[in-house]
Amino acid sequence: SQQGEEDPQALSIQEGENATMNCSYKTSINNLQWYRQNSGRGLVHLILIRSNEREKHSGRLRVTLDTSKKSSSLLITASRAADTASYFCATDPTGANSKLTFGKGITLSVRP
Amino acid sequence: NAGVTQTPKFQVLKTGQSMTLQCAQDMNHEYMSWYRQDPGMGLRLIHYSVGAGITDQGEVPNGYNVSRSTTEDFPLRLLSAAPSQTSVYFCASSYHGTVYNEQFFGPGTRLTVL
Repeated sequence: SQQGEEDPQALSIQEGENATMNCSYKTSINNLQWYRQNSGRGLVHLILIRSNEREKHSGRLRVTLDTSKKSSSLLITASRAADTASYFCATDPTGANSKLTFGKGITLSVRP
Repeated sequence: NAGVTQTPKFQVLKTGQSMTLQCAQDMNHEYMSWYRQDPGMGLRLIHYSVGAGITDQGEVPNGYNVSRSTTEDFPLRLLSAAPSQTSVYFCASSYHGTVYNEQFFGPGTRLTVL
């Protein structure tokens, strides 16, 4: 069963706007990761945030983690048409022996 | 550095046929895994390995076998293909542990079983 649940399932925004995606999970984790998947391609790792971190930045990406609420958010600032893709959160549950659990993904469309 | 490679890219099988999906990585990663991706289902773990000679089942292992004789290779065998195994299959690798375990994915194999 999937531990990570993303919302919304789909998001459509105008180029230049910010996109916020959320992920909730159920058990304690070592870390939480976000991945991007362009149509017809494999997943690409974007960012990893450890359970003792609250916020992390990478370029136009900002990830937050609230372990008390078991939730994370991914913010993409100043979106571009090239950001159009599916985004997945993946959790590394404590004691899971490196097995990541992926959510079902969020489809982001950025209109030029 | 090729990363994670998968072959073939596309495959069509008839029900009952068997085949092996190949996966190789050149990053010396201990951990390797196979996922299937179906519309609306996200990625589901089939089998995984934490090192040569060690494999274990994931969420949906039935109908699939794996082996890990070397660090580099992790083939996935379909024993007797069924239409329910029509899917896109991804292989991934990472360091084993909790610190740097971001996964690197191959480009996928699109399998159709008639």
